[in-house]
Amino acid sequence: GAVVSQHPSWVICKSGTSVKIECRSLDFQATTMFWYRQFPKQSLMLMATSNEGSKATYEQGVEKDKFLINHASLTLSTLTVTSAHPEDSSFYICSLPRGVVDQPQHFGDGTRLSIL
Amino acid sequence: AQSVTQLDSQVPVFEEAPVELRCNYSSSVSVYLFWYVQYPNQGLQLLLKYLSGSTLVKGINGFEAEFNKSQTSFHLRKPSVHISDTAEYFCAVQRRDTDKLIFGTGTRLQVFP
Repeated sequence: GAVVSQHPSWVICKSGTSVKIECRSLDFQATTMFWYRQFPKQSLMLMATSNEGSKATYEQGVEKDKFLINHASLTLSTLTVTSAHPEDSSFYICSLPRGVVDQPQHFGDGTRLSIL
Repeated sequence: AQSVTQLDSQVPVFEEAPVELRCNYSSSVSVYLFWYVQYPNQGLQLLLKYLSGSTLVKGINGFEAEFNKSQTSFHLRKPSVHISDTAEYFCAVQRRDTDKLIFGTGTRLQVFP
């Protein structure tokens, strides 16, 4: 069964809107989750690492104020795209590292964000 | 730093034909190697992984991959593909001291009847 639940799967909204994406761990207490962004026909790029109870760690070039990450509990991490613009349109995917090498990351089903 | 190269952005193939998707990596430290599959508008599903031991790794859906340390390659193969194998395939590496994955640019496998 599913290990990671990501919601919503599809969002279409107007420019300037803030959008929240949720990533839930269904069977594992996750102290860390990863957020990726995937542009059309491109690979996944790691945006940030969310850390339960502390600040997220952002990759170089990712705007912290634009992409707000909150990891308030051991089962939920959220990514909020603030004041979204058309260039933020992308496929956002969360993943859950297991912390054990022979149990690789489990990925959510992704969120397709389209900003008009 | 680590990097992953998937030279073929698209691979068209007829149903029941064999296929090989190429992956080369670069790393100054030991890494783990993975192949993931992504169906349209979905997340990634693990096909197979190489951690250590036998260099030939078998995964789900009849796929296998061979780790070649001297050539720093981890090519994915399937002896007979199905229409349902049409998807995007990503090769990825992970340093042994971190959970972070570095992905290749992906290969679009298109299986024709």
